[in-house]
Amino acid sequence: DVKVTQSSRYLVKRTGEKVFLECVQDMDHENMFWYRQDPGLGLRLIYFSYDVKMKEKGDIPEGYSVSREKKERFSLILESASTNQTSMYLCASSFRSRTGELFFGEGSRLTVL
Amino acid sequence: AQSVAQPEDQVNVAEGNPLTVKCTYSVSGNPYLFWYVQYPNRGLQFLLKYITGDNLVKGSYGFEAEFNKSQTSFHLKKPSALVSDSALYFCAVRVSGGYNKLIFGAGTRLAVHP
Repeated sequence: DVKVTQSSRYLVKRTGEKVFLECVQDMDHENMFWYRQDPGLGLRLIYFSYDVKMKEKGDIPEGYSVSREKKERFSLILESASTNQTSMYLCASSFRSRTGELFFGEGSRLTVL
Repeated sequence: AQSVAQPEDQVNVAEGNPLTVKCTYSVSGNPYLFWYVQYPNRGLQFLLKYITGDNLVKGSYGFEAEFNKSQTSFHLKKPSALVSDSALYFCAVRVSGGYNKLIFGAGTRLAVHP
């Protein structure tokens, strides 16, 4: 079975702290994605990566950065967390060739106080 | 701009009855459409997709979806609902330009009552 693992299911941070969210996939997928899920808004794409060290901005990249040093790992970084970044963060991965079939992790629920 | 709309926040169905979860889309060119399901405290799971071909697409857990180009719709259906189908359902469309970027709808919560 494909497995996408997010390192933390629940995090509580303070305003201004630096936050790292880690995601690892074990299926040699080329593409990896970070989405943010908020009630009534669905999922919104923050960043994605189609290869090691390659990254592209999604629809809401402000306040976030990413890192992909190895194919299996894609990290989301909040340089200075703010309360409006309180949300559920979902990592996903896919083969470049398999249209639309993303595999998701179980999510990281971040609360910023 | 490409977009997806799910007009219902919640759908309530009695167990054993047919269910429909609605989705409409706006894209330029041919649409690539998807349905995902999210169970409580879990990530999303892929259910089915329409790329081309037959307008009725079959997917996991007995779900199917009907593509209607003239109405720009891609409604999710199941002939007989189960209580275990209760979950959050998302419709999505692939953004042109590749890389499997998807735009998701806001989601519809399906509640199946015994």
